Amino acid sequence: DTAVSQTPKYLVTQMGNDKSIKCEQNLGHDTMYWYKQDSKKFLKIMFSYNNKELIINETVPNRFSPKSPDKAHLNLHINSLELGDSAVYFCASSTGHHPYEQYFGPGTRLTVT
Amino acid sequence: GEDVEQSLFLSVREGDSSVINCTYTDSSSTYLYWYKQEPGAGLQLLTYIFSNMDMKQDQRLTVLLNKKDKHLSLRIADTQTGDSAIYFCAPRMTGNTPLVFGKGTRLSVIA
Repeated sequence: DTAVSQTPKYLVTQMGNDKSIKCEQNLGHDTMYWYKQDSKKFLKIMFSYNNKELIINETVPNRFSPKSPDKAHLNLHINSLELGDSAVYFCASSTGHHPYEQYFGPGTRLTVT
Repeated sequence: GEDVEQSLFLSVREGDSSVINCTYTDSSSTYLYWYKQEPGAGLQLLTYIFSNMDMKQDQRLTVLLNKKDKHLSLRIADTQTGDSAIYFCAPRMTGNTPLVFGKGTRLSVIA
C-alpha cells in the first residue's frame, strides 16, 4: 500500500534516447509534482500539477514533458536525453488542506551514458 | 524567489543532541518543513511548523522558528546512528506551492 510509487527505480540509457518515468499516488491528493535532485543532492522543483492541470513549469528544457492522465498519475517523458539529465527524479503529491504535507516517491535514478 | 541556506555537514556523537540550522529569505513563508533523506531513499517528512508558532516538539525532535531572523532549527535529542541522513529544510509560501529546498545538511553520527 505504497503512497507514492514511481517506476522504474533505475533507468540507464544512452544519449539521444527518449524515456518515460511513471508516478502514481493512492492518497487521493489533487496536487502532484516532479522534482530533480542533482549529484550534489540539490533538489529543485520542475513541474506542479493540480487536478490534472499544469500550474507550475520552472525553467526546464522543453524536452521534458509531464503528462497527467488522471489525478492519481503524473508521468514524465524526456526526449533526446543528454548527459546533464542524469539525476534522481522524485515525484511527490500534496494534501489540499493544512498543513499541506507533501509526500515523496522513492525516486528514479536516471543515468545517461 | 526564496533562498534557503543550510550548513552542509554536521557530525555528532551518539547520545548527544544535534542541531541543524536553516535560514530562508521569504518572510511570507507560511509552512516550514523538515525532511530526512537516508542513503538511496526518498524524502521522509519529519515534522513541520506553522509560521505563527515559535516552537514545536515531537518526541525527540524540537523545531524552533525565529520569524524575525528567518531562522529555523531542528534539534534531535539523544541522536542515534539511525539518524544519520541528509536533512532538508523546506519553506513554503502557501498551501500547495512547491517546496523550496536548502542544499541539505548531512548528519553523521559517531558511535
